[in-house]
Amino acid sequence: ILNVEQSPQSLHVQEGDSTNFTCSFPSSNFYALHWYRWETAKSPEALFVMTLNGDEKKKGRISATLNTKEGYSYLYIKGSQPEDSATYLCASGSGNTGKLIFGQGTTLQVKP
Amino acid sequence: EPEVTQTPSHQVTQMGQEVILRCVPISNHLYFYWYRQILGQKVEFLVSFYNNEISEKSEIFDDQFSVERPDGSNFTLKIRSTKLEDSAMYFCASSWTGDSNEQYFGPGTRLTVT
Repeated sequence: ILNVEQSPQSLHVQEGDSTNFTCSFPSSNFYALHWYRWETAKSPEALFVMTLNGDEKKKGRISATLNTKEGYSYLYIKGSQPEDSATYLCASGSGNTGKLIFGQGTTLQVKP
Repeated sequence: EPEVTQTPSHQVTQMGQEVILRCVPISNHLYFYWYRQILGQKVEFLVSFYNNEISEKSEIFDDQFSVERPDGSNFTLKIRSTKLEDSAMYFCASSWTGDSNEQYFGPGTRLTVT
């Protein structure tokens, strides 16, 4: 059974703080690791899809790294802004059918 | 920007009734999915669909569930006889390929079974 875990469950930071979250997943039979940003009452929005060990991806102030050998990924937000407040989901892709196994999410609240 | 749409946004039904949740995926995508999230739990995979057939389904997706792409644009999830435990937010998603492509999610349908 593929189990994806995220920590922390929630995070409260001040505007301007940098922060990071962790996603851990079974390293055997790794296929792809997805990060999504999910704002309340909106659709989850894809941030990154990573497939290679050592991958680093960046979109604006948000970046992510991937270690497939030890089974973890980090998501970093530099200089958090109130609009970054959302739940950040990671999901492990388990093959060419597209099935995603999700973690429980990290809910970020950025106070102005 | 193209987006996945879902209707209705909220459906209330009585236990034992049939419900159909509707989705319009992004038009040039080939892979379609249903996920659900029971309140307080993880988002769970239900089914993936490609080339007019189910490519993978989870243990949750039993005989009470079915999916269909009736007209080349809509993608539906039917629950034949709803149970209280089917109450959840149901998300449709689509992608261009089924491997390492990002999936585009709809806003969800909240299903409440009473």
